Amino acid sequence: EAGVVQSPRYKIIEKKQPVAFWCNPISGHNTLYWYLQNLGQGPELLIRYENEEAVDDSQLPKDRFSAERLKGVDSTLKIQPAELGDSAVYLCASSLGFGTDTQYFGPGTRLTVL
Amino acid sequence: AQSVTQPDIHITVSEGASLELRCNYSYGATPYLFWYVQSPGQGLQLLLKYFSGDTLVQGIKGFEAEFKRSQSSFNLRKPSVHWSDAAEYFCAVGPNQAGTALIFGKGTTLSVSS
Repeated sequence: EAGVVQSPRYKIIEKKQPVAFWCNPISGHNTLYWYLQNLGQGPELLIRYENEEAVDDSQLPKDRFSAERLKGVDSTLKIQPAELGDSAVYLCASSLGFGTDTQYFGPGTRLTVL
Repeated sequence: AQSVTQPDIHITVSEGASLELRCNYSYGATPYLFWYVQSPGQGLQLLLKYFSGDTLVQGIKGFEAEFKRSQSSFNLRKPSVHWSDAAEYFCAVGPNQAGTALIFGKGTTLSVSS
């Protein structure tokens, strides 16, 4: 069974440029998460989807970050414009449902903003 | 507020020696507890989880963890460490009835010396 797929794996951009990350969850997983992992820190939730609905986006900086999950499968996370402080690893995870279901993580996208 | 503390930022263990990684949590109800491992450039992989029942939980790769409610701890152990165990280890708690996702500690980096 394929795991959570993320692309690109690495991205280097200039500040003020836009950037987008893509995630393909495990087939059949209804719940999808985007996490932010700063250097030396644990992941922190940005947004959680149940199917195509964003049910927890309280930690998403909505002035510059946006996300979508069309048709309840793949998801895209966008930053526009990027700032130096956005340099981090962006992790996508998925689970069958919410609650006790195990979250499976993708390899992440490492973003460097210059 | 929910929180997870991993007191040790970095631990070095000799190959073949035993390992214990500490995790303390703050939670208002019966917690769901997890240990994840992250190798360089890889996503997080679930080692084990505790929801209820037997407080000693067995996981993959020879790891185990013990839930101690009186000490608010969920320490990870392995009787004999292998060089391939060198990685970063994250303890996490959640989700709770309010529907938040996993809350991670800051992680412990394990180095294995020969």
